[in-house]
Amino acid sequence: GAVVSQHPSWVICKSGTSVKIECRSLDFQATTMFWYRQFPKQSLMLMATSNEGSKATYEQGVEKDKFLINHASLTLSTLTVTSAHPEDSSFYICSATKGLPPYNEQFFGPGTRLTVL
Amino acid sequence: QKEVEQDPGPLSVPEGAIVSLNCTYSNSAFQYFMWYRQYSRKGPELLMYTYSSGNKEDGRFTAQVDKSSKYISLFIRDSQPSDSATYLCAMSEGLNFNKFYFGSGTKLNVKP
Repeated sequence: GAVVSQHPSWVICKSGTSVKIECRSLDFQATTMFWYRQFPKQSLMLMATSNEGSKATYEQGVEKDKFLINHASLTLSTLTVTSAHPEDSSFYICSATKGLPPYNEQFFGPGTRLTVL
Repeated sequence: QKEVEQDPGPLSVPEGAIVSLNCTYSNSAFQYFMWYRQYSRKGPELLMYTYSSGNKEDGRFTAQVDKSSKYISLFIRDSQPSDSATYLCAMSEGLNFNKFYFGSGTKLNVKP
């Protein structure tokens, strides 16, 4: 199997605080991990791509200093939303790949629902 | 223009019906085409994966890719209430496989 977990599954925080979300590949080593954001009734929007031991590559329009990504090991990546504001409320989903191109299926985590009050 | 267009629905069908879900795209470089199923408040799970044009069948599911028309389809035969979910198409280029471009998803409701 290829299982990806996320923690927490949901979090509520006050405006101005920081929130850390963990993404773990449970039964495989992930060569690459991805962070997505999904608004209600909208598609998944890629925020950043991260490889273990190197800096994340952010998509255009995504603030690096606001969404800090740390890919500490081949099984763990974290996304920290710094100084969160209500507009950061969203569903955050990570995915991980275990293969190399040209075929590297993405396995998705269950998502983390963030609500900023 | 979005890279990938998908009718958001919702699509409501009776149990046992054949369901057709579709996406169109604009980037002719896309070579890998995927269909994901996403239940409410859950992460997407891969249903079907197709490379280039053609058909692929897996049980009640059939994926079709027509690169000349930039059009992909997912057919679900003998639909079941448990098929009720949002279906997302995704695609990527051959040389930069990592980046997926997703459709907005079609919400399907199969009524018993």
